[in-house]
Amino acid sequence: DIVMTQSPLSLPVTPGEPASISCRSSQSLLYTNGYTYLNWYLQKPGQSPQLLIYLATNRASGVPDRFSGSGSGTDFTLKISRVEAEDVGVYYCMQGLQTLPITFGQGTRLEIK
Amino acid sequence: QITLKESGPTLVKPTQTLTLTCTFSGFSLTTRGVGLGWIRQPPGKALEWLALINWNDNEYFSPSMKRRLSITQDTSKNQVVLTMTNMDPVDTATYYCAHGRILEWLVRDFEYWGPGILVTVSS
Repeated sequence: DIVMTQSPLSLPVTPGEPASISCRSSQSLLYTNGYTYLNWYLQKPGQSPQLLIYLATNRASGVPDRFSGSGSGTDFTLKISRVEAEDVGVYYCMQGLQTLPITFGQGTRLEIK
Repeated sequence: QITLKESGPTLVKPTQTLTLTCTFSGFSLTTRGVGLGWIRQPPGKALEWLALINWNDNEYFSPSMKRRLSITQDTSKNQVVLTMTNMDPVDTATYYCAHGRILEWLVRDFEYWGPGILVTVSS
């Protein structure tokens, strides 16, 4: 299995300040087609997960541009340029390179200070 | 507009079989590049992928759960059914179905999710 490791697990942030979450995979997520199969999701309290970033760097439809994804190979980062109150929740990374099984990180809980 | 909704029992007894139905609209599971996945989340814990069926009717299961899972689709009803046998209290979780986008036979992402259904396993 590809193990996805996120850090930190808890992230208190002051509104208006930037935030950064790291995700590391136990093997490279770069496929032979040149795409990197890494997603980011946000699960707001009491809601289903919502897709933020796909293929490591592409914002999903409707996602504010304060969210950005970067990284390659095994090291990835989700950045929020200026945190807003509505950004609270648990952030997950997920790899789709190895279907058996698809794996998620353990989650990073973002809270407002 | 793509929507998905999970339905089924919210309480099952240990050793029973769980049958969950995902009813979706706004897309077809016969369209190339489309899949439907099942993901679960125990209370307060992380997401765990369970199964996927794609437009080509290929089925994929989590290796750790494979012996307990089956998946079928009814394209005429826009439904996918997940069956999990021999339920145990550790299977207590919110079960989600999600619309998957497949790129070169690999899951690119799960773009749309259902609201989830909390299934409790208890005698």
